[in-house]
Amino acid sequence: GAGVSQSPSNKVTEKGKDVELRCDPISGHTALYWYRQSLGQGLEFLIYFQGNSAPDKSGLPSDRFSAERTGGSVSTLTIQRTQQEDSAVYLCASSHRVNTDTQYFGPGTRLTVL
Amino acid sequence: GEDVEQSLFLSVREGDSSVINCTYTDSSSTYLYWYKQEPGAGLQLLTYIFSNMDMKQDQRLTVLLNKKDKHLSLRIADTQTGDSAIYFCAEAPMDTGRRALTFGSGTRLQVQP
Repeated sequence: GAGVSQSPSNKVTEKGKDVELRCDPISGHTALYWYRQSLGQGLEFLIYFQGNSAPDKSGLPSDRFSAERTGGSVSTLTIQRTQQEDSAVYLCASSHRVNTDTQYFGPGTRLTVL
Repeated sequence: GEDVEQSLFLSVREGDSSVINCTYTDSSSTYLYWYKQEPGAGLQLLTYIFSNMDMKQDQRLTVLLNKKDKHLSLRIADTQTGDSAIYFCAEAPMDTGRRALTFGSGTRLQVQP
């Protein structure tokens, strides 16, 4: 079956612009996660959605970052007023939430802020 | 909080075994994972083990867990050039509802032909 997909694969933007990154989880997976991978910080958890529960936003680095998940499926991560330190690969993962909760990752979106 | 540590680099010759080590700090029951990342790609799940297990084998991969020392290792038998990648150890504490993964810094495995 199809895995987790993300778009765009690459995004170059200018400092101060807003960007939206999209994630399509594996069909039937109720949990969805966003992570960020950067050279200086490694892999960091950003936000977690589980079903209809309120998301866990404890990993978001600033209020410029937000995410939503519509209809319990597709998720969008929005970064407002991008800064150069936002440059990273943004990874999305989903899990079934019932069995092992193993997280399956998408290919990521590489964001470059000039 | 949780902390996961790995050595940064490992070089082996093709056909040898590779052993990648990881230590973690969380004392609650947890799942422990190994992911592989090839250049420009996302994270590929290799295997996982629950913290009440000592060992898990899956084809060329063997995971060993020392709960007392909180030490996890991944052994790759008959290492091939296609195994060259970055390997991440990660844990997911069970006593949190979040299940977000805490990753190590990754070990870059270089396989010499």
